[in-house]
Amino acid sequence: KQEVTQIPAALSVPEGENLVLNCSFTDSAIYNLQWFRQDPGKGLTSLLLIQSSQREQTSGRLNASLDKSSGRSTLYIAASQPGDSATYLCAVSQAGNMLTFGGGTRLMVKP
Amino acid sequence: KAGVTQTPRYLIKTRGQQVTLSCSPISGHRSVSWYQQTPGQGLQFLFEYFSETQRNKGNFPGRFSGRQFSNSRSEMNVSTLELGDSALYLCASSAGTGAYGYTFGSGTRLTVV
Repeated sequence: KQEVTQIPAALSVPEGENLVLNCSFTDSAIYNLQWFRQDPGKGLTSLLLIQSSQREQTSGRLNASLDKSSGRSTLYIAASQPGDSATYLCAVSQAGNMLTFGGGTRLMVKP
Repeated sequence: KAGVTQTPRYLIKTRGQQVTLSCSPISGHRSVSWYQQTPGQGLQFLFEYFSETQRNKGNFPGRFSGRQFSNSRSEMNVSTLELGDSALYLCASSAGTGAYGYTFGSGTRLTVV
């Protein structure tokens, strides 16, 4: 059974800092890995999708990497801003047309 | 193009009642999946429908059921509500296999009192 773990569970940083969020998964037989952002009480907003054959994806200040063989992904956020404050979730897609989610990292960026 | 639409946004129900939630996927998407999010358990997969057929089901009791219509809209039903069913219910749509990722709706917040 796939298990996804995110470290740290919570993170507080001053504005402008670069930061890295970590995601690990136990079963490397994945189709892809997706990073989401969730604001309190809201739905999930997709940030980046990395296919299993890819090593990284970039969108603006965000860069996600994937090392399928070691079961790890990182989300790098450059020059953090208060508007980046949210919970970040990683999820892996496998056979069965379902996502398995990590517990999330709650990020607070202080002005 | 319109995103994933979930209705209603909020619901308050009494224990023992039943509830139906609705999800309209992105136009052209034929797969709809449902997730339950609670503070204690996080996001858990309920079930997935593709072309009106349930392809996969998570580990939830039979009180949780769903269906999909020919226009790909999906409904989720919970019967005999329990306090523990209070959660944010999210639906996601994809083109089919999830190879191109999933797009989520804003969710329905269900409170059981």
